Amino acid sequence: GQQVMQIPQYQHVQEGEDFTTYCNSSTTLSNIQWYKQRPGGHPVFLIQLVKSGEVKKQKRLTFQFGEAKKNSSLHITATQTTDVGTYFCAFARGGTSYGKLTFGQGTILTVHP
Amino acid sequence: DAGVIQSPRHEVTEMGQEVTLRCKPISGHDYLFWYRQTMMRGLELLIYFNNNVPIDDSGMPEDRFSAKMPNASFSTLKIQPSEPRDSAVYFCASSFAGQTALEQYFGPGTRLTVT
Repeated sequence: GQQVMQIPQYQHVQEGEDFTTYCNSSTTLSNIQWYKQRPGGHPVFLIQLVKSGEVKKQKRLTFQFGEAKKNSSLHITATQTTDVGTYFCAFARGGTSYGKLTFGQGTILTVHP
Repeated sequence: DAGVIQSPRHEVTEMGQEVTLRCKPISGHDYLFWYRQTMMRGLELLIYFNNNVPIDDSGMPEDRFSAKMPNASFSTLKIQPSEPRDSAVYFCASSFAGQTALEQYFGPGTRLTVT
């Protein structure tokens, strides 16, 4: 079935460095969502992208959806220790699977102070 | 407004015992999802409901797992009999089809340990 691959699996950065995680699909996606899960916590919705080439910003976070709608990225500028956690991309299916999300494996971000 | 509520938060049980996990979705949400999260397999969808009706249970590992949603405000995930490999964090999530984005709201999870 349709899957997404996230890279890297792990990322260790010094506080103040930038961070980027990528989500890639072999097929065209109708949308992409991003979630953040703090250590010991639960996934929390960050944003959804639906348009080809879409770029959205939330403070230090920049989300992009590729022109071909097969890839997406999340970029964090000047990381802080509060950014620690696992970042997941996910896409929603349509048709008979409406509402169902398929999650990537996630990128675990560690920020060293 | 309260978020998704799950109970218990932690469960430790012995192999062979029955385990029941509970979930109360956000009021007004018409989708409910059960996920399992482990280091090895990541976040896996087990089953989901729409308007209390199971839509897709293809992620349920085996017959030992069952889920019910008797009404719009309550769902259970039961494991009988439990095995050590069932140890994981189980999340319940809900969403509303009328949202612009089909974002899912996750509960705090139940950490299950089967010894």
